[in-house]
Amino acid sequence: AQSVAQPEDQVNVAEGNPLTVKCTYSVSGNPYLFWYVQYPNRGLQFLLKYITGDNLVKGSYGFEAEFNKSQTSFHLKKPSALVSDSALYFCAVRDTTGGFKTIFGAGTRLFVKA
Amino acid sequence: GAGVSQTPSNKVTEKGKYVELRCDPISGHTALYWYRQSLGQGPEFLIYFQGTGAADDSGLPNDRFFAVRPEGSVSTLKIQRTERGDSAVYLCASSRDRVDGYTFGSGTRLTVV
Repeated sequence: AQSVAQPEDQVNVAEGNPLTVKCTYSVSGNPYLFWYVQYPNRGLQFLLKYITGDNLVKGSYGFEAEFNKSQTSFHLKKPSALVSDSALYFCAVRDTTGGFKTIFGAGTRLFVKA
Repeated sequence: GAGVSQTPSNKVTEKGKYVELRCDPISGHTALYWYRQSLGQGPEFLIYFQGTGAADDSGLPNDRFFAVRPEGSVSTLKIQRTERGDSAVYLCASSRDRVDGYTFGSGTRLTVV
């Protein structure tokens, strides 16, 4: 069975500093990996995905994520945080052997201080 | 439409009543998903449709929950004999294919009193 772990409930970072939101996963086959963001009073929005190829993928709003197969991780990163990045971030995994079902992590709240 | 539309946005019902939640996906998206999200948790998978058929309903918690998508576009999630534990935000999403990210609707907040 596939699973996702986001070990940090909250990440605090100062504006302008780099940020990392951690994610590890477990699947029986090869993974498709995703990050979504949920702003207050708004729906979940797709940020980026890893399907195959280059381990570093770039997405919306300047975010990127690095796929590490040996560590089964897919950490979300941004070189310079903005106050407007403050939101709830979800990592998600889809097992390529199992169809379309995507499993989400519990979420990490990012707080960027001015 | 331009996005995934869910109605109603809020639903308050009494324990034991029947409710229907509607999802209108993006035109042309063949895959449709239902999730529910409780406060402080990530979305929990319920069911997904590929076209008209339920390709995976392993996330439905029990037989009080049922979903249909009769013409391959609009879907309805049906909950019978609602319980207070069913209170959550029910999310619908659609995608073009298995490698596509999901587009989520704004959700239906269900409150069972």
